[in-house]
Amino acid sequence: AQSVTQLDSHVSVSEGTPVLLRCNYSSSYSPSLFWYVQHPNKGLQLLLKYTSAATLVKGINGFEAEFKKSETSFHLTKPSAHMSDAAEYFCVVTGLGGTSYGKLTFGQGTILTVHP
Amino acid sequence: KAGVTQTPRYLIKTRGQQVTLSCSPISGHRSVSWYQQTPGQGLQFLFEYFSETQRNKGNFPGRFSGRQFSNSRSEMNVSTLELGDSALYLCASSSGTGTRNTGELFFGEGSRLTVL
Repeated sequence: AQSVTQLDSHVSVSEGTPVLLRCNYSSSYSPSLFWYVQHPNKGLQLLLKYTSAATLVKGINGFEAEFKKSETSFHLTKPSAHMSDAAEYFCVVTGLGGTSYGKLTFGQGTILTVHP
Repeated sequence: KAGVTQTPRYLIKTRGQQVTLSCSPISGHRSVSWYQQTPGQGLQFLFEYFSETQRNKGNFPGRFSGRQFSNSRSEMNVSTLELGDSALYLCASSSGTGTRNTGELFFGEGSRLTVL
């Protein structure tokens, strides 16, 4: 079975400073990993995905994540936070084969607060 | 291209009642998945439908059921509502083809159910 652990439930940054949201994964095989974002009262939106091509993955809105197999980590970063980045972020893993259809396994989420 | 549409957006029910939620996927998408989101349990997978067939199911009691129509629209039903069923129910769609779960789901804004 696969799982993800988000190491911080809340992260607070000032506008213009870097963002780091941490995620560790557990999987018995090479996983597919994702970051999704949920703005208040909205559905979830895919930020970026890792599927065993490049280990440094670039996503939308200036976010990127690096897959580190040795550390079983997939941390999300952004060089400079913007007020509109305030949201909840989810690290996600999928399984393999038919039993994984439609099924994402979510971390518990990290709420990002951006101060002016 | 229209996104995933869920109706109703908000509803209030009392214990013991039943509820039906509707989801219209993105045009051309044949897979529809349902998730329950609560503050305590986070995001949990309910089930996935593809071409009117349930392909995958999460660990929820039989009170939770779903179906998919020939136009890919989906409904989920919860019978004999309990207080703990209060949650945001999210629907997501994808093309659903292929043997691998790509993990790329497009989410609606959800139906917020309150059980009194």
